[in-house]
Amino acid sequence: SQQGEEDPQALSIQEGENATMNCSYKTSINNLQWYRQNSGRGLVHLILIRSNEREKHSGRLRVTLDTSKKSSSLLITASRAADTASYFCATDVIQGAQKLVFGQGTRLTINP
Amino acid sequence: GAGVSQTPSNKVTEKGKYVELRCDPISGHTALYWYRQSLGQGPEFLIYFQGTGAADDSGLPNDRFFAVRPEGSVSTLKIQRTERGDSAVYLCASSLTAAFSGRTDTQYFGPGTRLTVL
Repeated sequence: SQQGEEDPQALSIQEGENATMNCSYKTSINNLQWYRQNSGRGLVHLILIRSNEREKHSGRLRVTLDTSKKSSSLLITASRAADTASYFCATDVIQGAQKLVFGQGTRLTINP
Repeated sequence: GAGVSQTPSNKVTEKGKYVELRCDPISGHTALYWYRQSLGQGPEFLIYFQGTGAADDSGLPNDRFFAVRPEGSVSTLKIQRTERGDSAVYLCASSLTAAFSGRTDTQYFGPGTRLTVL
């Protein structure tokens, strides 16, 4: 079963614009991570935010976490064609447990 | 510093056959994970190893699925009597450790094996 839901399921924007993707989850978490996947294959880790953090930055990425609303957002600023991919949020839901529970993903298309 | 590797990259088999999928984790990573991803879905957890032992196999769908990691490095996912519904991309990931630490280490994923059962 999937824990998270990404919103929107698909997003298409022009190069240079900002892209915002949202993730909601159901149970209490330790951490939330965002991954990128190209062409349905290997997942690339983007950023991890811990449950006691509210915001984190990495390059053009900004992640927020609101544990009271059980939601997170991923913002990609100044998008590039190479950002075209599927983006997944993943949570680990039990203290010390290692399995990740993924959402269904947002398919992001950056139009040149 | 090679990443996680998986072989084969693609596997086509007939219904009822037995298949083995191999994962080579990043050197020095003690934790290894298997996930399965169906088309249009996010990955779903299958099993997690800490060292040689399966610490959590709660995601294995039934007893046709089995995984081993005899020396604490390479792992093999084994599927018996394959069914068409087993068709998916099987992803392997590894992380440094973090068992019982209460904190999650980043999981690094391999490119996956695309399994097609005809």
